[in-house]
Amino acid sequence: TQLLEQSPQFLSIQEGENLTVYCNSSSVFSSLQWYRQEPGEGPVLLVTVVTGGEVKKLKRLTFQFGDARKDSSLHITAAQPGDTGLYLCAVTLSGGSYIPTFGRGTSLIVHP
Amino acid sequence: ETGVTQSPTHLIKTRGQQVTLRCSSQSGHNTVSWYQQALGQGPQFIFQYYREEENGRGNFPPRFSGLQFPNYSSELNVNALELDDSALYLCASSQGVGNIQYFGAGTRLSVL
Repeated sequence: TQLLEQSPQFLSIQEGENLTVYCNSSSVFSSLQWYRQEPGEGPVLLVTVVTGGEVKKLKRLTFQFGDARKDSSLHITAAQPGDTGLYLCAVTLSGGSYIPTFGRGTSLIVHP
Repeated sequence: ETGVTQSPTHLIKTRGQQVTLRCSSQSGHNTVSWYQQALGQGPQFIFQYYREEENGRGNFPPRFSGLQFPNYSSELNVNALELDDSALYLCASSQGVGNIQYFGAGTRLSVL
């Protein structure tokens, strides 16, 4: 059982379309991170959300942390081919050590 | 470019062999974490080193071991390679535990 469930697993869309990807859990987290991983590269941090209900915007990307801090969503407006990549959510489990835990990711392809 | 470099970029080994992967952390970073990313999965935390000491370990067997040097570069060693060890191995560095991680591009290991 995955701690973080991401959906959809795959998404293939045309340039200009909008999309939303989700990261869900039954656990409560103090913070949650979103990363993008492009082919042949390591993940790059996009944003960290901390407060329940928090909304953060990064150009055409909108991130929301659920009120109960158990889930999060990433919405992309007018997707571009440069948005292609694997979108990963991650949390940090505490308890003495810093243990980063990632979801399986949503693989997004944006066609020109 | 994150300033985190990994070598080699690709490696092919046979079952039962041993492998050493290397990571140079970003300048000023004293913490290195290693991850295994199987195809279609998110990164799985292997372990973390902070100032040359292991500071947390994921659910990996003892044949996965590591080392951090005084210049904060790091090695990941895997003994008795198994077919399931085939994956992308990612290294990430940060300035302190729990701070933003910067990932390298990874080493692609194939075990035949």
